[in-house]
Amino acid sequence: TQLLEQSPQFLSIQEGENLTVYCNSSSVFSSLQWYRQEPGEGPVLLVTVVTGGEVKKLKRLTFQFGDARKDSSLHITAAQPGDTGLYLCAGSRIIYGGSQGNLIFGKGTKLSVKP
Amino acid sequence: SQTIHQWPATLVQPVGSPLSLECTVEGTSNPNLYWYRQAAGRGLQLLFYSVGIGQISSEVPQNLSASRPQDRQFILSSKKLLLSDSGFYLCAWSVGSSGGADTQYFGPGTRLTVL
Repeated sequence: TQLLEQSPQFLSIQEGENLTVYCNSSSVFSSLQWYRQEPGEGPVLLVTVVTGGEVKKLKRLTFQFGDARKDSSLHITAAQPGDTGLYLCAGSRIIYGGSQGNLIFGKGTKLSVKP
Repeated sequence: SQTIHQWPATLVQPVGSPLSLECTVEGTSNPNLYWYRQAAGRGLQLLFYSVGIGQISSEVPQNLSASRPQDRQFILSSKKLLLSDSGFYLCAWSVGSSGGADTQYFGPGTRLTVL
């Protein structure tokens, strides 16, 4: 059972376009992280969101945590070739009122931005 | 600032040979440490995690084992490698705590090929 569903799995766009990727679950998370990974390297943390409804911005990237803390989205404005990579979301589940301590990872969205 | 190191970066080993991958963290004390395996540039599978020296939890029964001989050192081992052990191995750390947001920070990874 995949607890975190990411969509789309693959996305190929032209430079300058906008895009949104989604991370959905039926489980509630105490926090959710977004990472970007380039081939042959480890994932790099982009943002952590912890409050339902929270919106965080990182230059052209906007992250939103759903009100119910079950889902999240990543919106990129005016995508650039440097945004190319695998975007992973990961959630920390709430178990019996406390954080489980381990992250649940989605399978990722592979983004390609062509010049 | 905190840094995480993994070595070797790449490794090619014959089937049946032993394995030892090392991960060290600098700039923090008593971190939680994690080993993941990533298949074909997709999602991460948690293999082991540790909340302290000598404390190892295994998430998936397999041909691998982990040890934590020092506070900031985490080792992934195998006595006899299988073809199916090939993959990209990632070490990660998070702030040691009993709960709360569990943002994890990843090392650069080790690409293991078993022939």
